Amino acid sequence: AQSVAQPEDQVNVAEGNPLTVKCTYSVSGNPYLFWYVQYPNRGLQFLLKYITGDNLVKGSYGFEAEFNKSQTSFHLKKPSALVSDSALYFCAVRDITGGGNKLTFGTGTQLKVEL
Amino acid sequence: KAGVTQTPRYLIKTRGQQVTLSCSPISGHRSVSWYQQTPGQGLQFLFEYFSETQRNKGNFPGRFSGRQFSNSRSEMNVSTLELGDSALYLCASSSGTAPGELFFGEGSRLTVL
Repeated sequence: AQSVAQPEDQVNVAEGNPLTVKCTYSVSGNPYLFWYVQYPNRGLQFLLKYITGDNLVKGSYGFEAEFNKSQTSFHLKKPSALVSDSALYFCAVRDITGGGNKLTFGTGTQLKVEL
Repeated sequence: KAGVTQTPRYLIKTRGQQVTLSCSPISGHRSVSWYQQTPGQGLQFLFEYFSETQRNKGNFPGRFSGRQFSNSRSEMNVSTLELGDSALYLCASSSGTAPGELFFGEGSRLTVL
């Protein structure tokens, strides 16, 4: 079975500082990895994905993620955090065996950006 | 382009009742997925429909069911409600050209008393 793990329940960072939200994965075969963000009382929004190619993936709102096969990690990063980035972030892996859009999500990391 | 629309947004039911939730996907999207979100279990996949056929199914009891109509709108039904069914139920649609890229609705928050 495939899975993702988000080791941190919460990450605090000062505005203007770089941020990292961690994710590790466990899959058989090539991973299809995603990051989603959820603002309070809202649904999830797609940020970025890794399927193949460059290990550094760029996404929405200035976010990027680094795929590291040897460390089985897919950490989300942003060079300069904004207070408006405060939200719940989910890492996810797609189940390719079913041929559809089934995603397995991590437990989520609450990002808090403070002035 | 209108986003994914879920109705109702909030509802309260009592144990033993049943509930039907509705989801209208983005126009042109043929895949609709449902997820349950709870503080304890996080986000869990319920099922996915594509062109009126269930394509994937999660590990939920048979009380949870769904369907998709010819216009891609989808409904999910939960029968014999239990307290543990209290959750935010999220619907997501996909165009099919970018697997895994889901567009989520704002959810239906179900409270079971």
